[in-house]
Amino acid sequence: GAGVSQSPRYKVTKRGQDVALRCDPISGHVSLYWYRQALGQGPEFLTYFNYEAQQDKSGLPNDRFSAERPEGSISTLTIQRTEQRDSAMYRCASSLGTSNLQETQYFGPGTRLLVL
Amino acid sequence: QQQVKQSPQSLIVQKGGISIINCAYENTAFDYFPWYQQFPGKGPALLIAIRPDVSEKKEGRFTISFNKSAKQFSLHIMDSQPGDSATYFCAARANFGNEKLTFGTGTRLTIIP
Repeated sequence: GAGVSQSPRYKVTKRGQDVALRCDPISGHVSLYWYRQALGQGPEFLTYFNYEAQQDKSGLPNDRFSAERPEGSISTLTIQRTEQRDSAMYRCASSLGTSNLQETQYFGPGTRLLVL
Repeated sequence: QQQVKQSPQSLIVQKGGISIINCAYENTAFDYFPWYQQFPGKGPALLIAIRPDVSEKKEGRFTISFNKSAKQFSLHIMDSQPGDSATYFCAARANFGNEKLTFGTGTRLTIIP
């Protein structure tokens, strides 16, 4: 079956522009997570959803970052007024649920964002 | 504040040898410890995971050893193969209700013939 998909795979933008990154989780997965991964580092948590409800946004760096999952499936991470320090790999993951036996997070291929 | 510390940063092991990667954590609320394997250009994929109620879990050539009192856990890869060459991340998750994974910084493993 299809895994987690993300689009675009690569995004080059100019400083000050807004970008929207899309995540399509595995069908039926309740929980959806956004992480940011710098080169040579592990993924760093940004935010997560159960269905359409944003449960935790403590990892969002500042108010230029926002995320939504309006219908409990596809999610969009939006970065407004991008800055060069926003350049990173943005990864999405989904899990069937959060209880034992459902907690495995499956990661997508990521969106590589480069802000010039 | 780095809550999960991982070492070494890189590791070279001969084919057939044992690869060992170590992680240490601070947060005693962590109760789920997965290891992820990542190949270049791909997302991390779950390899094996353990809960603190057991000291060891083995799946094929992969074993997690867990020391709750020392707040340390490690991944052992037996009979390492060139196909095991990848970056490995340990991670931890706190009790139910705080589902984010906190990752280590990764170990780049290279298996040489």
